[in-house]
This record gives sequence, C-alpha cells and structure tokens, in this order.
Amino acid sequence: AQTVTQSQPEMSVQEAETVTLSCTYDTSENNYYLFWYKQPPSRQMILVIRQEAYKQQNATENRFSVNFQKAAKSFSLKISDSQLGDTAMYFCAFLPRGAQKLVFGQGTRLTINP
Amino acid sequence: SAVISQKPSRDICQRGTSLTIQCQVDSQVTMMFWYRQQPGQSLTLIATANQGSEATYESGFVIDKFPISRPNLTFSTLTVSNMSPEDSSIYLCSVSRTSGYTDTQYFGPGTRLTVL
Repeated sequence: AQTVTQSQPEMSVQEAETVTLSCTYDTSENNYYLFWYKQPPSRQMILVIRQEAYKQQNATENRFSVNFQKAAKSFSLKISDSQLGDTAMYFCAFLPRGAQKLVFGQGTRLTINP
Repeated sequence: SAVISQKPSRDICQRGTSLTIQCQVDSQVTMMFWYRQQPGQSLTLIATANQGSEATYESGFVIDKFPISRPNLTFSTLTVSNMSPEDSSIYLCSVSRTSGYTDTQYFGPGTRLTVL
C-alpha cells in the first residue's frame, strides 16, 4: 500500500522568508503523480503544484517550486518570498497513474508571521 | 481546473438526524469523490460515485450510514445518516480532470458539520 509522510506537523517563518515543507512517500509504482494542496482556514482545498513522476524537471508555479527526488521518494515544497496569505495547512498527496484514489499525508500547518 | 460548489457550507445538527450535502460541478465528470476530514486530521476518502451505478465505499464506510446519489454527470449528494457527535467533520467533494497525461483532483469548498 502507498503511504505519504509529512514529518513536520507545524512550521512557522517570518514574512518574505523562504520555507521548505518535506514529504516522503512509499510506493512500488513507477508511474504516478504527486501534488501539494493548500487548505487555508476557509477549508477549501486548493491545488498548489503537481509533478508527474516521469518528468525529471521539477515543477514550478510562481513562488512555489518542488524538489522531486524519485529515487529517494521525496517531494518537498519550497515557498519563496512567503506571504501572510500562505498561512494554511499543506497536504502532500500521491496518485498512481490510472488510479483515482488520492493518498494524503497528515499535513503541515504553516504559519507566516508578519 | 473545475468549479465546484457545495451546499450547505456549514450546519449544526442534532444527534439522530440526517443531513444531505449537495455537490455541483461546472461540467460533466465521470467520477465524483466524497471525503471526510475530522478535526485536525487529513482527508479520508468515503466513497467514489459513478453516474448510473452504485457508489464504491472505502473500508470503514457503509452505504446505510453514508448513502450517495449520482443522478447525472454534474451532481451528487452525500447523506450523513443518524448522526452522532463523532460525525462532526468537514465533508468535501472532489472531481478528477485529465490534462494531457495528468489526472488531477479538484475540491469543492467543503461543508462543515457540527453534531450536538
């Protein structure tokens, strides 16, 4: 069975700093997708970034980027120039290609301080 | 992406009663998913709803407690039956969209349920 582990239950940084959230996963699959979702206090789950396992290039979306290490089964999220609006729970998720069931990590509560 | 709405956004209910949550998508989708998020926890998949067939439930969830309807390709409902305080959670629906070779799930805004 696939599992996703987020080892940092909580993190806190100052506004404008860079922060990295960790995620590791366990799978025997070779083709899969990885996602980071953000859940602010409004509780809406918002897709932040996604990575296809067959792509070697790390995904980037504006201030958000990932460090995807397939051999190490690691998928960290880097937030640059952090903003107050980045305060949220962040969930790492795994989806085998062709499957429909997302596997979520336990989440990291990120607080950006002014 | 996908535009998904849920009703109600929140509700406070008495134990023993039932609540039906609606999920509407902006365009047709094959599968819709229902998740539960208990306080301070991650998301747990309740069931997958296909149009025209019975929903597929995950281990620990049963149809009598969480009946699901899927009358068409843009709409689904989840009922939480005979509620107890342990059912207090956020309930989210999601849909899967394929772009190129990538499947991505998009989520509705969630329904916050409190059972007294």
